[in-house]
Amino acid sequence: GAVVSQHPSWVICKSGTSVKIECRSLDFQATTMFWYRQFPKQSLMLMATSNEGSKATYEQGVEKDKFLINHASLTLSTLTVTSAHPEDSSFYICSARDRLEPQHFGDGTRLSIL
Amino acid sequence: QKEVEQNSGPLSVPEGAIASLNCTYSDRGSQSFFWYRQYSGKSPELIMSIYSNGDKEDGRFTAQLNKASQYVSLLIRDSQPSDSATYLCAVSNSGYSTLTFGKGTMLLVSP
Repeated sequence: GAVVSQHPSWVICKSGTSVKIECRSLDFQATTMFWYRQFPKQSLMLMATSNEGSKATYEQGVEKDKFLINHASLTLSTLTVTSAHPEDSSFYICSARDRLEPQHFGDGTRLSIL
Repeated sequence: QKEVEQNSGPLSVPEGAIASLNCTYSDRGSQSFFWYRQYSGKSPELIMSIYSNGDKEDGRFTAQLNKASQYVSLLIRDSQPSDSATYLCAVSNSGYSTLTFGKGTMLLVSP
């Protein structure tokens, strides 16, 4: 149980492109979803927390207009990186949680901006 | 500022040995503690969760929590080469709050 699917797993695109990443909980209802970013040899850095039907809460230093998060249903959240630039290249990982249960992570999306 | 500290390693152990991974945290209000395993290029996978002082065993894994010392550890018995990965310690104030991750300890198990 507790499977989280993330898509796509790998994206390579040109600078200035907007990229959408999907995160789905397959066998449970995710009341809360989280988006993380991880640079090489670094730990996970929380970007934002989203609850179904409400606006995401962004961590300090994360631009909400650049990283658009939508959590329209209890099983789907999306992260859109708008006008991506090479410095946005990173490993983006979502996680989902049902109420008090531990977070379960998706497989991650490796984003490379040329 | 909540902090979770881990030795970055690498921690090298021979196959069959016990691997001991340690983690300290700064926030005394922390209530929930987790160990995640992350293989290179992959996302974290939940290994253990522990919420009360003492030991919690699951197969070859034992999590130990000492809230007075603000210390949590993970023991891996009969270590296997497939256990080679980075182990992340994560802490939260409650079931509703966010996780704070340590930087992880790299474990290398040699055949």
